[in-house]
Amino acid sequence: EIVMTQSPATLSVSPGERATLSCRASHSVSSNLAWYQQKPGQAPRLLIYGASTRATGISARFSGSGSGTEFSLTISSLQSEDFAVYYCQQYDDWPPSFGQGTKLEI
Amino acid sequence: EVQLVQSGAEVKKPGESLKISCKASGYNFTNYWIGWVRQMPGKGLEWMGIIYPGDSDTRYSPSFQGQVTISADKSINTAYLQWSSLKASDTAMYYCARLWDVGFFDYWGQGTLVTVSS
Repeated sequence: EIVMTQSPATLSVSPGERATLSCRASHSVSSNLAWYQQKPGQAPRLLIYGASTRATGISARFSGSGSGTEFSLTISSLQSEDFAVYYCQQYDDWPPSFGQGTKLEI
Repeated sequence: EVQLVQSGAEVKKPGESLKISCKASGYNFTNYWIGWVRQMPGKGLEWMGIIYPGDSDTRYSPSFQGQVTISADKSINTAYLQWSSLKASDTAMYYCARLWDVGFFDYWGQGTLVTVSS
């Protein structure tokens, strides 16, 4: 099973600043990587798939990059609604697997 | 509009059985895989398994194989997750979600909280 490791566990950033979250795979997953956002008490929401393609309706402030084993999610000019937990997920190999999450806090 | 509506919260005792549901609307239910994700209290997301309602092809993550059963009834556009004998460690939020491109989930249900306690 491919292990996904996210860093940091918690990231403290001020509104208006940029945040970069990292995700590393234990084996190459090509570009088969997705990012999700989860706010307290809500279901996760798809942000990015194919490592860099924004899902429908997702703000251009969210961008994904990387391939192979190293990936990042960048959120430019943070807004209050962006503070949440973010998960990466690989779907290159069975079973698909999630990272443990990065909590983005003010 | 794609919607996945899950059944309500459950409180059960260890050893009891349970079947929770996920009703889909707004798309052709038989053409997309649908899956289940577990989130234990204060923890991250875990991929449990998926089912293709068109032919009931089902695939489980090894961690959940034999622990749960995933099924679907395409006549009523509903997927199910069931346990035959619950344990306290099954206490969690369970989400159903539609799979896109055989890989990631693009639409999610609101979650069903299952609490198992004596």
